[in-house]
Amino acid sequence: EIVMTQSPATLSVSPGERATLSCRASQSISSNLAWYQQKPGQAPRLLIYGASTRATGIPARFSGSGSGTEFTLTISSLQSEDFAVYYCEQYNDWPPLTFGGGTKVEIK
Amino acid sequence: QLQLQESGPGLVKASETLSLTCSVSGDSIRSPSYYWGWIRQPPGQGLEWIGSIYYSGSTYYNASLKSRVSISVDTSKNQFSLELNSVTAADTAVYYCARHGRGSLGAFDYWGQGALVTVSS
Repeated sequence: EIVMTQSPATLSVSPGERATLSCRASQSISSNLAWYQQKPGQAPRLLIYGASTRATGIPARFSGSGSGTEFTLTISSLQSEDFAVYYCEQYNDWPPLTFGGGTKVEIK
Repeated sequence: QLQLQESGPGLVKASETLSLTCSVSGDSIRSPSYYWGWIRQPPGQGLEWIGSIYYSGSTYYNASLKSRVSISVDTSKNQFSLELNSVTAADTAVYYCARHGRGSLGAFDYWGQGALVTVSS
């Protein structure tokens, strides 16, 4: 099973600042990685797939990078609606599909 | 626009079977490009993949739940279903159904709103 590890667990950022979230896979997953945003009481929303491709309707301030085992989600200038929990997920080698533990982005 | 909607009892007694159905609208569940999956999230915790099914009926399960879980598809109703037996309090969670693609397009692109299932003693 591929283990996904996200860091940090919590990220405190001021509106307008840049946020950088990390995700590490326990073995290479090529670029088969997705990022999701989840707000309280809502289902996760797909932000990024293929490690760097924005999903339909996702603003350009969200960008993903990386391949192999190290991945990054960057939010270039945090807006109020971006404060949420972010999850990465690998779909390179399954079953099982596996998610990271999440990073909570909170207002500083 | 694709929509998924979970339905089923919100309260299940311990040792009994949890049953949920996901109704799909806006696309055919017979599409060869997609799998249909179940994911759960215990209160205040992260996401756990339970399993997925292809329209042909091929199933893929999380080994941690495999002995208790069954996923089926009804293409005539454009629905797929989850059964989890011998439930305990640890199975209390929001259960999501979602669609994911194949290969390099394997992310979950559409999700249901989620159904909270509480296991009572």
